[in-house]
Amino acid sequence: GAVVSQHPSRVICKSGTSVKIECRSLDFQATTMFWYRQFPKQSLMLMATSNEGSKATYEQGVEKDKFLINHASLTLSTLTVTSAHPEDSSFYICSAEGVPDSPLHFGNGTRLTVT
Amino acid sequence: GQNIDQPTEMTATEGAIVQINCTYQTSGFNGLFWYQQHAGEAPTFLSYNVLDGLEEKGRFSSFLSRSKGYSYLLLKELQMKDSASYLCAVRAGSSNTGKLIFGQGTTLQVKP
Repeated sequence: GAVVSQHPSRVICKSGTSVKIECRSLDFQATTMFWYRQFPKQSLMLMATSNEGSKATYEQGVEKDKFLINHASLTLSTLTVTSAHPEDSSFYICSAEGVPDSPLHFGNGTRLTVT
Repeated sequence: GQNIDQPTEMTATEGAIVQINCTYQTSGFNGLFWYQQHAGEAPTFLSYNVLDGLEEKGRFSSFLSRSKGYSYLLLKELQMKDSASYLCAVRAGSSNTGKLIFGQGTTLQVKP
């Protein structure tokens, strides 16, 4: 089955630093990947849609200069949280889309803690 | 706008049947998905409906009525490991690809 790998699974960083999260589709090509954020006891909130070879599309209220997305190949998208603050602490989950009419496949998520 | 509603919490007994409802109002519709999520983990796919009717998959079934903007997930022969959050998600828009909009999730607690 389709597998999406996300790395790292956990990261702790200091306020003001940047953190990069990688999302890879291991056995299929994903022209589109999605980045979600989930705060405790809340549902997944879509942050942005990442398209291979073009600029990401950000949801309303998500700062594109703070959450940099790069989708350089059909199997890799990265999310960089720049100048992280404690309020950015959250569970970040990527998902990838394979063939049409198929469910999204999720990575295992990255628990970010900013101190 | 996009609106997906499901109950916040439910409790059921081991061995019983539970039905989790989901209603939606979205701009466009191209499928409804149910995911299971255990605390601290990523969601795992359970079922997918794009046409009206019932889809059965072992102990899990999902139903869709597009005219009513309504779906439910039915879990039979409940086990303790079924205690988790269940997320209803809609693929909105006019394409059969694209982003999913999630409901707030239903936390199910299965008791002995």
